[in-house]
Amino acid sequence: KAGVTQTPRYLIKTRGQQVTLSCSPISGHRSVSWYQQTPGQGLQFLFEYFSETQRNKGNFPGRFSGRQFSNSRSEMNVSTLELGDSALYLCASTKAGGRETQYFGPGTRLLVL
Amino acid sequence: SQELEQSPQSLIVQEGKNLTINCTSSKTLYGLYWYKQKYGEGLIFLMMLQKGGEEKSHEKITAKLDEKKQQSSLHITASQPSHAGIYLCGAPRYTGGGNKLTFGTGTQLKVEL
Repeated sequence: KAGVTQTPRYLIKTRGQQVTLSCSPISGHRSVSWYQQTPGQGLQFLFEYFSETQRNKGNFPGRFSGRQFSNSRSEMNVSTLELGDSALYLCASTKAGGRETQYFGPGTRLLVL
Repeated sequence: SQELEQSPQSLIVQEGKNLTINCTSSKTLYGLYWYKQKYGEGLIFLMMLQKGGEEKSHEKITAKLDEKKQQSSLHITASQPSHAGIYLCGAPRYTGGGNKLTFGTGTQLKVEL
């Protein structure tokens, strides 16, 4: 069974631009969560989608948004990029959330110049 | 301060030596996940502990959960170079039917030949 895939793997943007990252969960998984990892703040929860609805949200500004499609694939968008948005963005999937193990993708490394 | 503190922050051991990593929570634990990360890559699931007193082993890695002390420990026996990486503990927060993981600060392990 294929694991969680994320595209692109690397991305360079400039301040003020916007970016869209994509995540394809493990086949059969309907819950997708997004996390941001930075050296200063560590690994932080962004949001979780299940059946095309946002089910949980972390403490990030409204510039960070996401969505989920009917095939469970998810995208996250960051608008008006800031230097501090440079990070590794990870997504994880489970069948339905709850007390299930979250399986992570390889991440998208975003560099904002 | 961080909700989940890991100690030590970094560790260098000689191949063949045993080591222990600790994860302490400032809030009630409803379970605990352990993941391993190679620098800049995704997280690899190691173990999930759900009940106080639970202990699980996989190959040379053993994890225990002490809910009363709000702590978990990860023990590696006879370390090998393949054990090198960053170890992260994650505490689940079950909300809205989903699961937000709060991660610890991470422990970087290097294994010297």
